[in-house]
Amino acid sequence: QVQLKESGPGLVQPSQTLSLTCTVSGFSLMDYSVHWVRQPPGKGLEWMGRMKYDGDTYYNSALKSRLSISRDTSKSQVFLKMNSLQTEDTAIYYCTRAGSFAYWGQGTLVTVSS
Amino acid sequence: DTVLTQSPALAVSPGERVTISCRASESVSTRMHWYQQKPGQQPKLLIYGASNLESGVPARFSGSGSGTDFTLTIDPVEANDTATYFCQQSWNDPTFGAGTKLELK
Repeated sequence: QVQLKESGPGLVQPSQTLSLTCTVSGFSLMDYSVHWVRQPPGKGLEWMGRMKYDGDTYYNSALKSRLSISRDTSKSQVFLKMNSLQTEDTAIYYCTRAGSFAYWGQGTLVTVSS
Repeated sequence: DTVLTQSPALAVSPGERVTISCRASESVSTRMHWYQQKPGQQPKLLIYGASNLESGVPARFSGSGSGTDFTLTIDPVEANDTATYFCQQSWNDPTFGAGTKLELK
């Protein structure tokens, strides 16, 4: 069955770089795009960007200067890197599969704090 | 970016019918989707393409609309429908509404 799972550090210091991994199973990254979405505690959802099935990447214009998404198809993994983190980047970070976002990971909470 | 506007909160009694609205700042055709999110959980897809019921979702949920105005209807509402409901468009780069918190009286 389709599964996605986020992993990464729970705590990041201000101004540092966040690195997250989304490991997928049940489908190929060369058949489906994978998106990253985040949600600050108690707030709404923000689309961050996507790794398209053909390897192209697209980013939220508000985050584009700080964000990079890549993948390793042999390991079925999609990576997110975002630099210059601030406290307002504290959020649950989700990866989700394209196709109306029917499949989501459980999310990983990232806290930006010194 | 396409801005999606939802009413912030609603309170209804079990057994009633509730409609949750979502207005887009520009036409998104029928590229509108609805999600339910309960505390501590990831969003769950309910409706895709404005009116298509996702597999496994009860038929009490339905969606309608096109262009800029969309609605999610729950009829009848049950106690476990207490959640926040988000709309999301995929006409261009995805954006989400701020969510409508549904409470049961």
